[in-house]
Amino acid sequence: DAGITQSPRHKVTETGTPVTLRCHQTENHRYMYWYRQDPGHGLRLIHYSYGVKDTDKGEVSDGYSVSRSKTEDFLLTLESATSSQTSVYFCAIGYGGSARRYEQYFGPGTRLTVT
Amino acid sequence: AQSVAQPEDQVNVAEGNPLTVKCTYSVSGNPYLFWYVQYPNRGLQFLLKYITGDNLVKGSYGFEAEFNKSQTSFHLKKPSALVSDSALYFCAVRDGKGSQGNLIFGKGTKLSVKP
Repeated sequence: DAGITQSPRHKVTETGTPVTLRCHQTENHRYMYWYRQDPGHGLRLIHYSYGVKDTDKGEVSDGYSVSRSKTEDFLLTLESATSSQTSVYFCAIGYGGSARRYEQYFGPGTRLTVT
Repeated sequence: AQSVAQPEDQVNVAEGNPLTVKCTYSVSGNPYLFWYVQYPNRGLQFLLKYITGDNLVKGSYGFEAEFNKSQTSFHLKKPSALVSDSALYFCAVRDGKGSQGNLIFGKGTKLSVKP
């Protein structure tokens, strides 16, 4: 799994509460991504990072923020969780080298339920 | 805008028979195409990619994919299906934005291989 861990793996939270999901990688990759997976939608990009403190929005960024203060950690925050944010969240890293260029490798996922 | 389509929500195959999971793409410029597999309760795993070169790309677990420029297709194939191939399969295309390029995923095709 390219040394990617996600925490927590499961979380149940109430509407309106803040939630932070953590992605940790051990291989010093420059590129990191947060996706959400929902039935009928496949994977959709929330935010991505191309270096420490360098982040940008993806397709479905409303209601989410991210931070990357260290190469190894990429945090996803739901400032005020809503039921529409119930989903499975995946973190991924991207290889920048020529041999594995453009490939992404995924963590095990976090299942978030907002009640 | 770049996009991929997976026209089949589900594909059913008998064990030992050849399998095909379809993907069509729409891109401006050269397409960079990918296949991923997701087993239950797991993250996505990289199978193979096409960037340039031979139209037939070989990947992990005996899978291969055929790039067809005239039909804008990138179908995933395997000569002899196994029950253990049952999973969710995603086609993806590189977005092209930025130096790394994000991936845009299809909605996924569920492959069911029966004994």
